[in-house]
Amino acid sequence: NAGVTQTPKFRVLKTGQSMTLLCAQDMNHEYMYWYRQDPGMGLRLIHYSVGEGTTAKGEVPDGYNVSRLKKQNFLLGLESAAPSQTSVYFCASSYVVFGEQFFGPGTRLTVL
Amino acid sequence: GQQVMQIPQYQHVQEGEDFTTYCNSSTTLSNIQWYKQRPGGHPVFLIQLVKSGEVKKQKRLTFQFGEAKKNSSLHITATQTTDVGTYFCAEAKTSYDKVIFGPGTSLSVIP
Repeated sequence: NAGVTQTPKFRVLKTGQSMTLLCAQDMNHEYMYWYRQDPGMGLRLIHYSVGEGTTAKGEVPDGYNVSRLKKQNFLLGLESAAPSQTSVYFCASSYVVFGEQFFGPGTRLTVL
Repeated sequence: GQQVMQIPQYQHVQEGEDFTTYCNSSTTLSNIQWYKQRPGGHPVFLIQLVKSGEVKKQKRLTFQFGEAKKNSSLHITATQTTDVGTYFCAEAKTSYDKVIFGPGTSLSVIP
């Protein structure tokens, strides 16, 4: 089992560009999450999903959109990237809502 | 808003020394989860505490939930270089669809 995988691992964008981060899990988890991690601030929840076709806002949703068209995939989109979105993005999934979370390896995004 | 605080922010210990990190909240916590993140890695779940006064052990790690459910601690006995990393506590409030991570305690172990 691969667990939780994220694509890409690194990305550099220019301000105003768009991109999509892909998260995939093979554990048949219902619940999936997107976090951002900034130095000294721990992890902050951006959006989450409690099942295929559903999404909900987390703590810092502005500037991001998500989709969960398939149970195993959770996509995070940035429509118009800003330097404030420079961060490390982690995807996670869990069997129980907000229970033990399994994290992917992360995507390091830089917005110039 | 709801905040989960952790102290200390950084800790440097000699290998073999003990280490403790504390997680504090001004309000009653529903539960506490602890995660470890190695440098350059991703968070890995360690444990979840739910009951007031709960104590759980994993080899050299001891986790405790305060009686008032406003604080939690993680204690590592006789640290090893493999313990290096950042330890995060997190509270999951399922009733409010929230999970709040603390800022973490970064542990360095000097061999």
